[in-house]
Amino acid sequence: GNSVTQMEGPVTLSEEAFLTINCTYTATGYPSLFWYVQYPGEGLQLLLKATKADDKGSNKGFEATYRKETTSFHLEKGSVQVSDSAVYFCALSDSWGNQFYFGTGTSLTVIP
Amino acid sequence: DADVTQTPRNRITKTGKRIMLECSQTKGHDRMYWYRQDPGLGLRLIYYSFDVKDINKGEISDGYSVSRQAQAKFSLSLESAIPNQTALYFCATSDLWTGKNTGELFFGEGSRLTVL
Repeated sequence: GNSVTQMEGPVTLSEEAFLTINCTYTATGYPSLFWYVQYPGEGLQLLLKATKADDKGSNKGFEATYRKETTSFHLEKGSVQVSDSAVYFCALSDSWGNQFYFGTGTSLTVIP
Repeated sequence: DADVTQTPRNRITKTGKRIMLECSQTKGHDRMYWYRQDPGLGLRLIYYSFDVKDINKGEISDGYSVSRQAQAKFSLSLESAIPNQTALYFCATSDLWTGKNTGELFFGEGSRLTVL
């Protein structure tokens, strides 16, 4: 079946530090991969996505590359800001976009 | 105004009471979902609907029911609430993935339910 395993948190970083949040997946077919972000008191919103192997999704300085050989979609940012403090969810959708599967979320706190 | 609106945003109720959480959307999407978020467990799917006449159970549907009143409205009911249904509930919508759109989920801001 389909599933997502995500690095557990919480993660605390100093401003301008490098961020990596690991995500691996198990899936059949040709899933799409997503990173969603949840700011305090808000719903989830799409941060970036990739729809096929070797695609790189990017947004707001965040990047993730769809690696089929390692079944991974790790989230990275070169220099985090206090405003990046949030919970990050890795997710995949099945080949037809019918079902979505979420990781457990990683809480990130960035301190000045 | 938000594209996906949930009401109420917060509700405290007692064990055994019937509760309805409502969701409406202006995105024009056919697909709607109800998820539950618990700390350390991520999001778990309760029910989903791909059009007005289609209702499907998710992984944790026991104790819940839904109604798709129109394309834009999808309600979640707890017929007899219990304390372990205390959680943050999210409604989400998506469009049929064509390969030319993002195929993403669009979420409401959540309804926090506390069952005493």
